[in-house]
Amino acid sequence: KAGVTQTPRYLIKTRGQQVTLSCSPISGHRSVSWYQQTPGQGLQFLFEYFSETQRNKGNFPGRFSGRQFSNSRSEMNVSTLELGDSALYLCASSSGDMGTYEQYFGPGTRLTVT
Amino acid sequence: GNSVTQMEGPVTLSEEAFLTINCTYTATGYPSLFWYVQYPGEGLQLLLKATKADDKGSNKGFEATYRKETTSFHLEKGSVQVSDSAVYFCALSDLGTGANNLFFGTGTRLTVIP
Repeated sequence: KAGVTQTPRYLIKTRGQQVTLSCSPISGHRSVSWYQQTPGQGLQFLFEYFSETQRNKGNFPGRFSGRQFSNSRSEMNVSTLELGDSALYLCASSSGDMGTYEQYFGPGTRLTVT
Repeated sequence: GNSVTQMEGPVTLSEEAFLTINCTYTATGYPSLFWYVQYPGEGLQLLLKATKADDKGSNKGFEATYRKETTSFHLEKGSVQVSDSAVYFCALSDLGTGANNLFFGTGTRLTVIP
């Protein structure tokens, strides 16, 4: 099975712009979660989508949003970018079924805000 | 709430040395515990997991035992190799709360020298 794919791998944006990141989960997986990784804050949970619905949300401002399509692919959007949004954004997929614990991560999108 | 406290790094070992990375957790319910590994420039890979007390997870020579009495999940390997150089993250998932998100420790960077 192909793993989790994320596009693009690298992005450079200017403060105030917006950005959209994409994630394609493992075939058959219905849950997609997003995490932000920074040197200062470590790995932090952004949100989880399951069957096109946001099922769980972390403690991030409303500038961070996401959605999931019927094929389980997910996008994450960050509006009005700030310097502090520079990070590695990781997507993880899982089957989403009750009692399922493993999440499989993609390689990440490295976002640099200047 | 849920949190993971992980041994501060970096850790530098000679090849074939014994490795221990300490991890303790706080959880409101009955968490599942994980170790993830991140190689340079890559996403996270699931190394091993344990879903209930006294379970031992193992993979690629790494082991960790879920100790409920000490709320710990220490990672061990008897003989490390240069290829084990990476950042190791301890994490928990508390499905009992209805959420599927992972709570991560701060990560421990391991460098193995020949």
